[in-house]
Amino acid sequence: DAGVIQSPRHEVTEMGQEVTLRCKPISGHDYLFWYRQTMMRGLELLIYFNNNVPIDDSGMPEDRFSAKMPNASFSTLKIQPSEPRDSAVYFCASRNRDYNSPLHFGNGTRLTVT
Amino acid sequence: AQSVTQPDIHITVSEGASLELRCNYSYGATPYLFWYVQSPGQGLQLLLKYFSGDTLVQGIKGFEAEFKRSQSSFNLRKPSVHWSDAAEYFCAVGGPGGGATNKLIFGTGTLLAVQP
Repeated sequence: DAGVIQSPRHEVTEMGQEVTLRCKPISGHDYLFWYRQTMMRGLELLIYFNNNVPIDDSGMPEDRFSAKMPNASFSTLKIQPSEPRDSAVYFCASRNRDYNSPLHFGNGTRLTVT
Repeated sequence: AQSVTQPDIHITVSEGASLELRCNYSYGATPYLFWYVQSPGQGLQLLLKYFSGDTLVQGIKGFEAEFKRSQSSFNLRKPSVHWSDAAEYFCAVGGPGGGATNKLIFGTGTLLAVQP
């Protein structure tokens, strides 16, 4: 099991540019989560999917953020246009369908917007 | 509102010494409680979880935690710390509604340093 795979590991971009973060969940996991980690706000849930369908996106900060899950093995988090305050580490996590199954986190993407 | 408080931002212990990391929660119903560990440049790894039953739970890497409802606490302990335990530790609370871990609320973390 390769675990949750995120790419890229690091992304540096200029303000105004579009940024796309990618995630491959663990095979067989029905749930996928996107989290953001900053010094100021800690770990925040942005959105989560069940069977490729977005269930709760109340944590998405604004319309500049969007997330998709076109199939069970791939998800993207897009920021357009990016702003310096979006700089953070973005984590993807997945879990299986059991009620109390734990989250498995990827190693994160460190985003820097200059 | 649901919340998790980790009062200690940074703790330093000597290798071989005992460790206790504090966690207090605020939750309107029976909470599901978790401790995660994050090593530099890595994602979060689950150490242990409490859902119900025995209030003392055992986890991986020799860690344990005790749920105390009267104190709204879920402190993490280890009797003898190893240098490899240096990392950041996060307490989290979740609840019913589709899945115990669907909307975890994390504390701000405690950074553990281990002195030789």
